[in-house]
Amino acid sequence: DIQMTQSPSSLSASVGDRVTITCRASQSISLYLNWYQQKPGKVPNLLISAASSLQSGVPSRFSGSGSGTDFTLTISSLQPEDFARYYCQQTYSIPFTFGPGTQVDIK
Amino acid sequence: QVQLVQSGPEVKKPGASVKLSCKASGYTFTNYFIHWVRQAPGQRLEWMAMINPRDGSTTYAQKFQDRVTLTRDTATSTVYMDLSSLRSEDTAVYNCAREARYNYGCQAFDYWGQGSLVSVSS
Repeated sequence: DIQMTQSPSSLSASVGDRVTITCRASQSISLYLNWYQQKPGKVPNLLISAASSLQSGVPSRFSGSGSGTDFTLTISSLQPEDFARYYCQQTYSIPFTFGPGTQVDIK
Repeated sequence: QVQLVQSGPEVKKPGASVKLSCKASGYTFTNYFIHWVRQAPGQRLEWMAMINPRDGSTTYAQKFQDRVTLTRDTATSTVYMDLSSLRSEDTAVYNCAREARYNYGCQAFDYWGQGSLVSVSS
């Protein structure tokens, strides 16, 4: 199975801050990397697919980059509604594995 | 609009089985794979299985291979997940999710069911 790690596990940031979350795969997954946002009591919401493709309706302050084993999710200017947990997921091979998540909290 | 509506919470004893449902609407059921993902308290999301509603073919995570069965009913656009030999570690929220294909054929889950809580306790 492909193992996914994320860093940091949590972070505190202020509204307006630039936030970067890193995801690393245990082997190359090309561009088969997705990012989800999950708020308490809600299901995950797909933000970015194929490493960098922003989903329709997702604000442009979110962006993704990377390929192979290293990927990043960037929020250019953190907004109050962005405080949530963020997961990466690889769909390069089954089982489709998720990272442990990064909790973004208000400073 | 696309919706995946799941069955309600379940309370089971160790060793029992549970059958969850996921009813799809708002799109052509047979055109999209359905996946099941679970989330135990404090744990990461865990992929379990997938089904092709068109032909009923399934793929299971090795971890669950012996205990999970996915079926579908095209007449009602419903996918069922049967999980057997339940243990306390199976206590989790179980979600169905629709697969969509994006750039380079990358698969991702664009719509999710609301989740079904399964509690396993003696």
